[in-house]
Amino acid sequence: AQKVTQAQTEISVVEKEDVTLDCVYETRDTTYYLFWYKQPPSGELVFLIRRNSFDEQNEISGRYSWNFQKSTSSFNFTITASQVVDSAVYFCALSEEGFGNQGGKLIFGQGTELSVKP
Amino acid sequence: GAVVSQHPSRVICKSGTSVKIECRSLDFQATTMFWYRQFPKQSLMLMATSNEGSKATYEQGVEKDKFLINHASLTLSTLTVTSAHPEDSSFYICSANRELAGIQETQYFGPGTRLLVL
Repeated sequence: AQKVTQAQTEISVVEKEDVTLDCVYETRDTTYYLFWYKQPPSGELVFLIRRNSFDEQNEISGRYSWNFQKSTSSFNFTITASQVVDSAVYFCALSEEGFGNQGGKLIFGQGTELSVKP
Repeated sequence: GAVVSQHPSRVICKSGTSVKIECRSLDFQATTMFWYRQFPKQSLMLMATSNEGSKATYEQGVEKDKFLINHASLTLSTLTVTSAHPEDSSFYICSANRELAGIQETQYFGPGTRLLVL
């Protein structure tokens, strides 16, 4: 069965610190997608990244970077030089590349609440 | 970019009444939409997959007679919470899949609907 585990429930850092959010997933599929979403207090999910299972290249986008390691089934997310505006709940999610009406549904991790203090 | 809207954003209703939530894809057609529920401080849980022109597929444990889903067009899915009770109070989020060449490109999430049942 598919599963996503975010072991860190809450993380608190001081502004300008680097922080890494962990994500470990389980799936039997060889083709799948991994996602990270940010959920600020307003509740709306903000898409951050989508990565398919065949692309293990690390990605950097500004202060954000992602490390995908199939060998350890992990897809970790690092925020460099954190800012107060980064405070939110971050979700890692997994999706199969399916067909028909079952394809694409997301399995979410439990979420990590990040608090960045000034 | 792709936009998904939800209406209403907030609703308060009395126990026993029914509430309809609309999810619209504004600039693309979506043959598949998803409905998620999120309780406070918890993750998003998939309730059902909504398929245009056919019956929705419900996840285990979700009552299809209580949560009626209608996907009447390629841009609109509705979720009706029938005979709502206080335990149905939650944050309901929809998402829509945009497809490219038959592949589920990614999911775009609506802003969510906060339901409070008194």
